[in-house]
Amino acid sequence: DIQMTQSPSSLSASVGDKVTITCRASQSISNYLNWYQQKPGKAPKVLIYAASYFQSGVPSRFSGSGSGTDFTLTISSLQPDDFATYYCQQTYSTPYTFGQGTKLEIK
Amino acid sequence: QVQLVQSGAEVKKPGASVKVSCKASGYTFTTYDINWVRQATGQGLEWMGWMNPKTGNTGYAQKFQGRVTITRNTSIGTAYMELTSLRSEDTAVYYCAREGSGLFHVLDVWGQGTTVTVSS
Repeated sequence: DIQMTQSPSSLSASVGDKVTITCRASQSISNYLNWYQQKPGKAPKVLIYAASYFQSGVPSRFSGSGSGTDFTLTISSLQPDDFATYYCQQTYSTPYTFGQGTKLEIK
Repeated sequence: QVQLVQSGAEVKKPGASVKVSCKASGYTFTTYDINWVRQATGQGLEWMGWMNPKTGNTGYAQKFQGRVTITRNTSIGTAYMELTSLRSEDTAVYYCAREGSGLFHVLDVWGQGTTVTVSS
């Protein structure tokens, strides 16, 4: 199975900050990498697919980059609605494993 | 609108089985694969398997092989996930999710989740 490792596991930041979350795959996954946001008690919501493409309706402050084994999700200017947990998921091969998550909290 | 509606919460004893349903609406059920993902309390997301509703083809994570079965009833646009030989570690919220079109298996529509509690 492909292991996905996110860092950091948690992050404190303020409204307006720029934050970056990284995701590393245990082997090359090309750009088969999707990012999800999850709020407490809710189902995840896709933000970015294929490493760098916006899902429809996602604010432009979210961006993704990377290929191969190393990927990043960047939020350019944090808004109050962005405090949540973020997961990466590889869909290069089954099982489509998720990272362990990054919890973004208000400083 | 496009949505997936899951069945209600379940409480089961160790060793029992549970079958969770996921009813699709707002789109043609047989067009998009369905995945199942679970999340234990306070933990991350765990992918369990997928199904092509048109063909019935399935694939499961090795961890669940032999215990999980994903099926469908195309006449009512509903997918099912059955998990057998339940143990306390299976206590979790179980989600169904639709894979959108394209090559990247994006889970673009999710059900609301079904809480399964395994307790003696």
